[in-house]
Amino acid sequence: GQNIDQPTEMTATEGAIVQINCTYQTSGFNGLFWYQQHAGEAPTFLSYNVLDGLEEKGRFSSFLSRSKGYSYLLLKELQMKDSASYLCAAGGTGGGNKLTFGTGTQLKVEL
Amino acid sequence: EAQVTQNPRYLITVTGKKLTVTCSQNMNHEYMSWYRQDPGLGLRQIYYSMNVEVTDKGDVPEGYKVSRKEKRNFPLILESPSPNQTSLYFCASSLTSGRALGTGELFFGEGSRLTVL
Repeated sequence: GQNIDQPTEMTATEGAIVQINCTYQTSGFNGLFWYQQHAGEAPTFLSYNVLDGLEEKGRFSSFLSRSKGYSYLLLKELQMKDSASYLCAAGGTGGGNKLTFGTGTQLKVEL
Repeated sequence: EAQVTQNPRYLITVTGKKLTVTCSQNMNHEYMSWYRQDPGLGLRQIYYSMNVEVTDKGDVPEGYKVSRKEKRNFPLILESPSPNQTSLYFCASSLTSGRALGTGELFFGEGSRLTVL
């Protein structure tokens, strides 16, 4: 089976840096994904890691350690519009192409 | 414009009245999937389809049916809805290549909020 853990809520200040952690247990792991979901909207894709290390995309970076079953999403230069839920999802091959989502981390960016 | 379109966006119905939520994508994606999202439980996969006429159960398939007769469409059918199926439903699609979900980028529809009384 697959299990994803991430914090429920986080608060950070505009302009700051925040790190959202995610741990996972999955069979047939084939990648770790991060999605952003604003309230009342659909999730949108942020990043995909399949190899260990850091992937950087502008203000957002994502890190993966396969041996530790651990990932984090790093958001720099926080903006108010970054207030959203951030969903960690692990891809696995058990029973087909399955993507299991965590319950999401609600990030609140304050002035 | 590349998109996944779901209908209806909002629906209030009563227990036992069959309903269908349609999903259509215009990106020629092979992989399509249905999720439900509930507070505290996150997104849970209901059914998915790797290609036309190929469907499989996800984590919470009970009470749902799907079909994939055409590549672009993946309707979700609730034969006899019950109040515990009150939820926010998302359809999603992705390119797929072998074992992996391609780049992993799932494109989501805007969601269908269903209430079963």
